[in-house]
Amino acid sequence: AQSVSQHNHHVILSEAASLELGCNYSYGGTVNLFWYVQYPGQHLQLLLKYFSGDPLVKGIKGFEAEFIKSKFSFNLRKPSVQWSDTAEYFCAVTPTSGTYKYIFGTGTRLKVLA
Amino acid sequence: GAVVSQHPSRVICKSGTSVKIECRSLDFQATTMFWYRQFPKQSLMLMATSNEGSKATYEQGVEKDKFLINHASLTLSTLTVTSAHPEDSSFYICSAPLRGANVLTFGAGSRLTVL
Repeated sequence: AQSVSQHNHHVILSEAASLELGCNYSYGGTVNLFWYVQYPGQHLQLLLKYFSGDPLVKGIKGFEAEFIKSKFSFNLRKPSVQWSDTAEYFCAVTPTSGTYKYIFGTGTRLKVLA
Repeated sequence: GAVVSQHPSRVICKSGTSVKIECRSLDFQATTMFWYRQFPKQSLMLMATSNEGSKATYEQGVEKDKFLINHASLTLSTLTVTSAHPEDSSFYICSAPLRGANVLTFGAGSRLTVL
């Protein structure tokens, strides 16, 4: 069955620390990959996406993610977090066959201490 | 940018009553919308795909008679939770695809509490 795993459920960091959130997926075919962020009280917003090409994807607010096909992973990184990055982060996968049926991970709640 | 508006953001109702949640695409048309449900500390689970002018497509295990979906226009989809029970309490989120961008844009969600 298709699934997305986010192993870190809660992460607490101090400002300026580096961040890496894990995302692994299980799917037999080619996929599109996404990271969404949900700030407190707000809707899900797209951070970045990977469809094809360069496996290192840069998104908004200094975030980046690397697609490693052999590991079925799409980890999110940021070199130096800020207090304003406190939010919940969701990894999502959808087949490349034109469907918008996303499969989401369980989310990682990040808290950045000022 | 493209926005999906969801209303109400919070609703409390008594057991046995029905609740309607609206999802509107602002400034763009959406022939398809998606309804998700999110339990505390869990992932977003796709409930159904709402199709303008035709019946919704429900995911396995989702009761179509309980969660009525209507997509009456190119900018509006509604989810009605019928005869709500406490176990229906959850966070419901709608989304719509942005054509040409191959991504979904999400509403802010509606938190339903059934007493």
